[in-house]
Amino acid sequence: SQKIEQNSEALNIQEGKTATLTCNYTNYSPAYLQWYRQDPGRGPVFLLLIRENEKEKRKERLKVTFDTTLKQSLFHITASQPADSATYLCARGKDTLTFGKGTMLLVSP
Amino acid sequence: DTGVSQNPRHKITKRGQNVTFRCDPISEHNRLYWYRQTLGQGPEFLTYFQNEAQLEKSRLLSDRFSAERPKGSFSTLEIQRTEQGDSAMYLCASSLGGQETEAFFGQGTRLTVV
Repeated sequence: SQKIEQNSEALNIQEGKTATLTCNYTNYSPAYLQWYRQDPGRGPVFLLLIRENEKEKRKERLKVTFDTTLKQSLFHITASQPADSATYLCARGKDTLTFGKGTMLLVSP
Repeated sequence: DTGVSQNPRHKITKRGQNVTFRCDPISEHNRLYWYRQTLGQGPEFLTYFQNEAQLEKSRLLSDRFSAERPKGSFSTLEIQRTEQGDSAMYLCASSLGGQETEAFFGQGTRLTVV
């Protein structure tokens, strides 16, 4: 089966630093990887999509990379803020999505 | 349009009862998806619709689960003879489909089976 693996341990960083979250996938490369943000008790919110033939995608303070050799996507938040504290979900697919468990990010003031 | 709407937000039911959840997608979206999320896990895909056609239902968890989208607008997810293991957050999402892949999720319905 096609799995998505995310570090289940929470990531604690200080405000202003860059947060880097990792997403690893198994078997063949997905054509698409997507990143979502989820706050407690709420549904996921779409952040970025990256295609297999793209190395990098940016949106404001967010950057996503896709490395088919390492079978990995990295998600970066630069100049992090306490408001960025949330769980970040990685998913493979374009329409029907296979999600990882998510990584909780805690940004301290 | 205020986004994807799910009702109820919370549902507590006794084991063995049937429950039905409703999802109203964003009006111009023709794709609608149902996911289930348990504590500490990511959402798990259940089924989806393109307009009124159910394109994938093999991932529904058992034959106690069924979904409909009768007129290609709102959708319902029914769980018959609920079990304690059905306790979870049930999420609905919609998208335009085609090249526009961004999925918009609702707030979810939290089901507790006692």
